[in-house]
Amino acid sequence: GENVEQHPSTLSVQEGDSAVIKCTYSDSASNYFPWYKQELGKRPQLIIDIRSNVGEKKDQRIAVTLNKTAKHFSLHITETQPEDSAVYFCAARISGGYNKLIFGAGTRLAVHP
Amino acid sequence: GAGVSQTPSNKVTEKGKYVELRCDPISGHTALYWYRQSLGQGPEFLIYFQGTGAADDSGLPNDRFFAVRPEGSVSTLKIQRTERGDSAMYLCASSLLPGSSYEQYFGPGTRLTVT
Repeated sequence: GENVEQHPSTLSVQEGDSAVIKCTYSDSASNYFPWYKQELGKRPQLIIDIRSNVGEKKDQRIAVTLNKTAKHFSLHITETQPEDSAVYFCAARISGGYNKLIFGAGTRLAVHP
Repeated sequence: GAGVSQTPSNKVTEKGKYVELRCDPISGHTALYWYRQSLGQGPEFLIYFQGTGAADDSGLPNDRFFAVRPEGSVSTLKIQRTERGDSAMYLCASSLLPGSSYEQYFGPGTRLTVT
């Protein structure tokens, strides 16, 4: 079935460093890839997304890249801050689905001052 | 405006009991989704509604799970004969319309514990 794998499961960085989280998906027809941030005890919130017709998208300190051939997409956070500490989930929209999202298992990011 | 709301925030029930979890989507949102999130895992799709009808219920784990959205707004997820393995955070999300152009907004979830 459809599957999204996410790595690493935990990531620890120093404030100001960059963080990279990687995901791979199994359905080659997937066409939409959102990233959600979930702080402890709170709801997931969309932080950035990318569609299959572009290779990269940036929003201030956050960027996402997509390699359709490799079925691989990544989240890049630059100049990390303590408030970036959270669990990050990647997801893929399954082709033919009604915006049904398949999520990765999550990456717990800790940014140390 | 108000976001997606879910009630109750926490529900503790005994094995074998019946539970109902409620979701109030953002006003005007036609698409509504239920997900289940186990500890340390990402949300897992359960069911999707477009309007009043369940357009995709392929994620419901078995026939003990059922969901309704009779008036195209509020939705209720119903679980019969609960089992300890049903313990999880149940998340609801809504979007203005289906399709990837429309962000899914999540509610705060209902944490279900089956003892």
